[in-house]
Amino acid sequence: AQKVTQAQTEISVVEKEDVTLDCVYETRDTTYYLFWYKQPPSGELVFLIRRNSFDEQNEISGRYSWNFQKSTSSFNFTITASQVVDSAVYFCALSALTDSWGKLQFGAGTQVVVTP
Amino acid sequence: DGGITQSPKYLFRKEGQNVTLSCEQNLNHDAMYWYRQDPGQGLRLIYYSQIVNDFQKGDIAEGYSVSREKKESFPLTVTSAQKNPTAFYLCASSSGRASHEQYFGPGTRLTVT
Repeated sequence: AQKVTQAQTEISVVEKEDVTLDCVYETRDTTYYLFWYKQPPSGELVFLIRRNSFDEQNEISGRYSWNFQKSTSSFNFTITASQVVDSAVYFCALSALTDSWGKLQFGAGTQVVVTP
Repeated sequence: DGGITQSPKYLFRKEGQNVTLSCEQNLNHDAMYWYRQDPGQGLRLIYYSQIVNDFQKGDIAEGYSVSREKKESFPLTVTSAQKNPTAFYLCASSSGRASHEQYFGPGTRLTVT
């Protein structure tokens, strides 16, 4: 069984501060995929990134960056120079190759509140 | 525009009534999923479908039913047997491969009183 833990329930920052969201996962599969989604107040989940278990390169996309470390089973997400529009709930998710048809296991989510 | 539509955005029902939530996709995806989200919690899988006329129970299927008569459509019925139906319901679709992301609809907020 897969498990994803997002220990931070809520993080509040002032605009322009950096914020890091933690994600720790558990799986016995050697091939798996990790995802981050953003859920703004409107409710729809927006896909941000996908990482496979064989690619530990960190990734940067604009103000977003991701740090994948297999040794600690973590896939952390950093928002640099946060903006009010970054206020949302962020979910980390895991899909293992042996799972039926792309089933995702979600973490509980981290609420990010960015104030001006 | 390609995407997933869910209707309605808000739905109100009286206790004891069945209610059906709509989900349509035009992404030509094989797999479709229904999730339930409660305040402060992550998403929990209700049902998923790999192909037309086939579907499997997820983690919390009790009190729910689905059908998949068309590739594009995956309606969810919340029956009177569901003890706590008030929640936010999200529909998603994907190619069905573990390596591919799921795309989500805007969700339906169901309130049962």
